[in-house]
Amino acid sequence: GIQVEQSPPDLILQEGANSTLRCNFSDSVNNLQWFHQNPWGQLINLFYIPSGTKQNGRLSATTVATERYSLLYISSSQTTDSGVYFCAVLDQTGANNLFFGTGTRLTVIP
Amino acid sequence: DTAVSQTPKYLVTQMGNDKSIKCEQNLGHDTMYWYKQDSKKFLKIMFSYNNKELIINETVPNRFSPKSPDKAHLNLHINSLELGDSAVYFCASSWRDTEAFFGQGTRLTVV
Repeated sequence: GIQVEQSPPDLILQEGANSTLRCNFSDSVNNLQWFHQNPWGQLINLFYIPSGTKQNGRLSATTVATERYSLLYISSSQTTDSGVYFCAVLDQTGANNLFFGTGTRLTVIP
Repeated sequence: DTAVSQTPKYLVTQMGNDKSIKCEQNLGHDTMYWYKQDSKKFLKIMFSYNNKELIINETVPNRFSPKSPDKAHLNLHINSLELGDSAVYFCASSWRDTEAFFGQGTRLTVV
């Protein structure tokens, strides 16, 4: 199956700092999503972004499908941003299965 | 008005037992999924199902079986539970290959 790599694996930020998380994938995709898994284990949808750029408050994401990567930007980080951020992609086999990356664990300290 | 809901949220059971986890979605989606998250937080597809086709990840033991009474439900049955089945199981749904939404997860502990 398709390979999805995320970097960095761990990230510690001071509150108020900005960060960029990266997702690389090994093949063409039909769909790409970013999720935040909060400390209670819930998977929260952040972006559905097969291509282009989207913004939602302090978060934005860009996917360059032709170069097989996506970036998630977090600005002015807050302690509530802590958790694990996952990138997930849908390959083009038609099976409709999301392949998840290994995640970036973000810790925002006050 | 929960979009994808799973029950129970926590499940503790002994080895060898048979258990089920229920999942319901009220989004009108045509495809439902089960994912397993292991202790290292890695999420892996187990099954995807729409009203026409069940796709099974070949690595899933046949002790696991999905059952769909209707388009809004996909339950997960597990027979002869083993210690290694302990994990968090997530149900999800989507409309075709568009955005997927996940339930809150079921933490299964086999003792």
